[in-house]
Amino acid sequence: SQKIEQNSEALNIQEGKTATLTCNYTNYSPAYLQWYRQDPGRGPVFLLLIRENEKEKRKERLKVTFDTTLKQSLFHITASQPADSATYLCALGSSNTGKLIFGQGTTLQVKP
Amino acid sequence: NAGVTQTPKFQVLKTGQSMTLQCAQDMNHEYMSWYRQDPGMGLRLIHYSVGAGITDQGEVPNGYNVSRSTTEDFPLRLLSAAPSQTSVYFCASSSNKDRQETQYFGPGTRLLVL
Repeated sequence: SQKIEQNSEALNIQEGKTATLTCNYTNYSPAYLQWYRQDPGRGPVFLLLIRENEKEKRKERLKVTFDTTLKQSLFHITASQPADSATYLCALGSSNTGKLIFGQGTTLQVKP
Repeated sequence: NAGVTQTPKFQVLKTGQSMTLQCAQDMNHEYMSWYRQDPGMGLRLIHYSVGAGITDQGEVPNGYNVSRSTTEDFPLRLLSAAPSQTSVYFCASSSNKDRQETQYFGPGTRLLVL
């Protein structure tokens, strides 16, 4: 069956450092992969989308890589800030279906 | 635009009771969906709709019904609540214009079934 794994343990880093979150998947060939941010008591908010034929995508301090051979995506936040503290979810999608498969999320804590 | 709205924010039910979780969006999105989020499980798709009058089952549909009479509204019905349905429920919508890829989520409904 399809499976997505994100680090279940919280990631604690110092302000100013680069945070790197991992998303691994098995038994799936997604057309694209997304990253969402979720704050406590709120719904997920879309951050970035990367397609199967793309290796890397950037948006301001965010960078996502997608390796379809390793079946892995890395999500980087450079120059991290305490305001970046949240849970980050990865999700895999197929073309034109709107149906997403979500990982369980990784909680990031950035300490000042 | 209000985006995706959900009511109620929090609900306590007794086993066997029924209720409807409301979801509305004002972005004229064709695609709407319901997810439940449980600790350590991630978001799981319950039901989805690609347009008014069309619904289909997701990964965990048992115990839930949906209908889509208008583009704006997509209610989720629990006919006979069970403790296993204690969860946080999120409604989401997306547009055919971006191939339904970017999901816009509501704030969630926290449901406790005793």
